[in-house]
This record gives sequence, C-alpha cells and structure tokens, in this order.
Amino acid sequence: KNEVEQSPQNLTAQEGEFITINCSYSVGISALHWLQQHPGGGIVSLFMLSSGKKKHGRLIATINIQEKHSSLHITASHPRDSAVYICAVRSKGGATNKLIFGTGTLLAVQP
Amino acid sequence: NAGVMQNPRHLVRRRGQEARLRCSPMKGHSHVYWYRQLPEEGLKFMVYLQKENIIDESGMPKERFSAEFPKEGPSILRIQQVVRGDSAAYFCASSPPSWQGYQPQHFGDGTRLSIL
Repeated sequence: KNEVEQSPQNLTAQEGEFITINCSYSVGISALHWLQQHPGGGIVSLFMLSSGKKKHGRLIATINIQEKHSSLHITASHPRDSAVYICAVRSKGGATNKLIFGTGTLLAVQP
Repeated sequence: NAGVMQNPRHLVRRRGQEARLRCSPMKGHSHVYWYRQLPEEGLKFMVYLQKENIIDESGMPKERFSAEFPKEGPSILRIQQVVRGDSAAYFCASSPPSWQGYQPQHFGDGTRLSIL
C-alpha cells in the first residue's frame, strides 16, 4: 500500500464545476504539498500546508492532521485547470527533506 | 529571479552510453533534490544534496547512478551505461538553506531521457 493515496485517479468536469481532489497518507508528516503538472511540462508548487487551510485565487487546500487527510478544491473550474494534481508529504523527523508522492489525479475540465 | 534551470530538456542516448543531467538551483538555494518519474508512474525521490554533501541517497539505484553538487556550478545527475528502463523524466528541485526552516521546494521543468 502506498504511503500517500490520492482519489480519484481521473476526473472529468464541466467548466464552472466545483472540484475536490483527496489525499490520504499513512505516515507522520511535517508538511504536505499540492503540486500541479501539465502534460509534458514542469511541476509547479501550489500549496504547502502543515495545518488548517490555505487559499490562492480559485484554489483552496485543507488538511486534517488527526485524520491524515488533505483536500484540494478548485472553484469555478476552467479548461486551463486541466492538469495532473499531485499530493506529496514530507515525513516528520530526520534530517531529510525528501518528499513522498501520491500517484496524481488527472483532471480534465471540458468547456 | 530565474527559477530552477534544468538542461537539457530532452536527451536521447543509446544503450550503454552515459547520460549527464544538469540542475542549477534558484539563486540563494543551497539544497537540491532529484526525482524520477517513470512512464505512467508517480514521482519518486532519488537523492538530496547540499553543497559538496550528499544528505540522503536512499532512493538512488545502487549501481550506475551518481549525483554531485559541487561548490561551484550546477548539480549533476550521472547515469552510466544507460538501459531502456532508465527512460523517464528526471526532475530537480531546490530549496533555501535549513536556517530558514522548512521551505517549499521549487521544481525545474525536467529532463526527458529517452534510451534507444
């Protein structure tokens, strides 16, 4: 079983819909990241969370440390939001800053 | 302020050749990370380096792979005697020094390595 699980793996939405992507993890963490990757493209860091909620434009990320769960929400989705969204965690303790990644959620927003 | 720069963007090698992938971190960043993304798979950690030191190489294959981050110049990921299974996208990320506390990692655009 992966230490970081995302759902759904694939998501198709109509433009304007509210979208939620979920991430569950099984290790103790010091931080959780949400990343965006366009096909064939680079990786952009959207959020880094250790507690609570963050908002940037139409994107909202929440984390519940007790339940080991995070969600990424996209409000008023747009075709340009189509990308792979990746959850990654930094394990608690130790000197390493390495990230453990989920397998990603492929989002397609149709006009 | 330039981001993380990786080159080349695409690299084609024949089996048995060597591949060298370069990563210049963001200005002021002293930590570098290499990740590999195999086709149809998620990203996997390979190695974490600070200037002239390897901090964590727990994700590096035991043979043929090496990484360095010299005092001057970019970080290099070196793959010797490449095989078809090395075909992947290799991403570099960087972050500021530890005294700033844990900071988000900034990713480069990756190097797509294809082995013929």
